[in-house]
Amino acid sequence: KNQVEQSPQSLIILEGKNCTLQCNYTVSPFSNLRWYKQDTGRGPVSLTIMTFSENTKSNGRYTATLDADTKQSSLHITASQLSDSASYICVVRGLPVGASKLTFGTGTRLQVTL
Amino acid sequence: NAGVTQTPKFRILKIGQSMTLQCTQDMNHNYMYWYRQDPGMGLKLIYYSVGAGITDKGEVPNGYNVSRSTTEDFPLRLELAAPSQTSVYFCASSPREYRGNTIYFGEGSWLTVV
Repeated sequence: KNQVEQSPQSLIILEGKNCTLQCNYTVSPFSNLRWYKQDTGRGPVSLTIMTFSENTKSNGRYTATLDADTKQSSLHITASQLSDSASYICVVRGLPVGASKLTFGTGTRLQVTL
Repeated sequence: NAGVTQTPKFRILKIGQSMTLQCTQDMNHNYMYWYRQDPGMGLKLIYYSVGAGITDKGEVPNGYNVSRSTTEDFPLRLELAAPSQTSVYFCASSPREYRGNTIYFGEGSWLTVV
């Protein structure tokens, strides 16, 4: 069964600090991996999309890495801001490409405090 | 700059009642989706559509119905509401079922069945 597991489940950091969120998946065959940010009470918003040939992709202070061999991804947030407080969801698309081939993780809830 | 618009934002239903969650997108996307998000769980696909007049079941379709008469609109119908349908519902759309395409989500509809 295709699964996406994220860790930690929740995380509290001080403003200005860096953090790294983890995503492990068993989806096979693999098409791409996405990271979404979901603010409380809002819909998810895409941060990055990576295919199997991409190791790193950045979006401002967000940097995602992918190791397709070990089926692991991480999302690194640099110089965190209060506005980074949200849930971060890892989503993996399998093959063949199809609407039913997205597997969502349960998310990491990040809280950035003063 | 509307994107994907869902209504209502909040709704309380009594067991056995029916209702329709409305979803419209103004990006001329072919693909539209309905997901539900339960506490501590990843998003689950209820139904999806690859274009006007075409719909298909996702992972958790029981108790729901959809229609797609136009490119813009994709309403989700709940018949005979049950407490198990208490959840947050997200409508989403994407240009086409291409591996690298971003999926755009609406703001969510909070439904409570009592």
